[in-house]
Amino acid sequence: GDSVTQMEGPVTLSEEACLTINCTYTATGYPSLFWYVQYPGEGLQLLLKATKADDKGSNKGFEATYRKETTSFHLEKGSVQVSDSAVYFCALSDNDYKLSFGAGTTVTVRA
Amino acid sequence: EPEVTQTPSHQVTQMGQEVILRCVPISNHLYFYWYRQILGQKVEFLVSFYNNEISEKSEIFDDQFSVERPDGSNFTLKIRSTKLEDSAMYFCASSEDSGVGVEAFFGQGTRLTVV
Repeated sequence: GDSVTQMEGPVTLSEEACLTINCTYTATGYPSLFWYVQYPGEGLQLLLKATKADDKGSNKGFEATYRKETTSFHLEKGSVQVSDSAVYFCALSDNDYKLSFGAGTTVTVRA
Repeated sequence: EPEVTQTPSHQVTQMGQEVILRCVPISNHLYFYWYRQILGQKVEFLVSFYNNEISEKSEIFDDQFSVERPDGSNFTLKIRSTKLEDSAMYFCASSEDSGVGVEAFFGQGTRLTVV
């Protein structure tokens, strides 16, 4: 079945540091890939997505590229801020209805 | 900005009791979902709902679970006889469509604790 494996946390960084969260997937079909973010006390929010190979999703300075050859969708940001402290979830959708999530990575950015 | 709202934010219940978790999806959305996350584990799909019936459900969604859209605005998840292992964060979500890559909008979650 479909599954997502993402880098375990927690991750603690200083402001302006680079962030990379690794995500790899297994899917039977040709999935769409997503990164969701959960800020403290809030629900899951879509951060970015990509629906086909070599697509790059980007938002709020974050980027991720759909790599079919390595079945990966790593999340990157060049310079993090305190406000980026959150839990980040990699997810895929291989059909119309459901998302398969990774375990989530907690990121804490210190001033 | 429209959002999915869930109530209550926290619910504590005794084992064997029935609980109803409530959600108000975004008003023009047609597809509704429940997910859950047991502490320290992955967010797991429970059920999807469209046109007043279940579209798909996972193996977690057994006879103890049911969903309902009682009045055209609320979307509820009922657990008939709660077990300790039902303790989790439950997320409701909705989407306008069900096509590939369509964004699902999530609520802030209800933390259910079964004691």
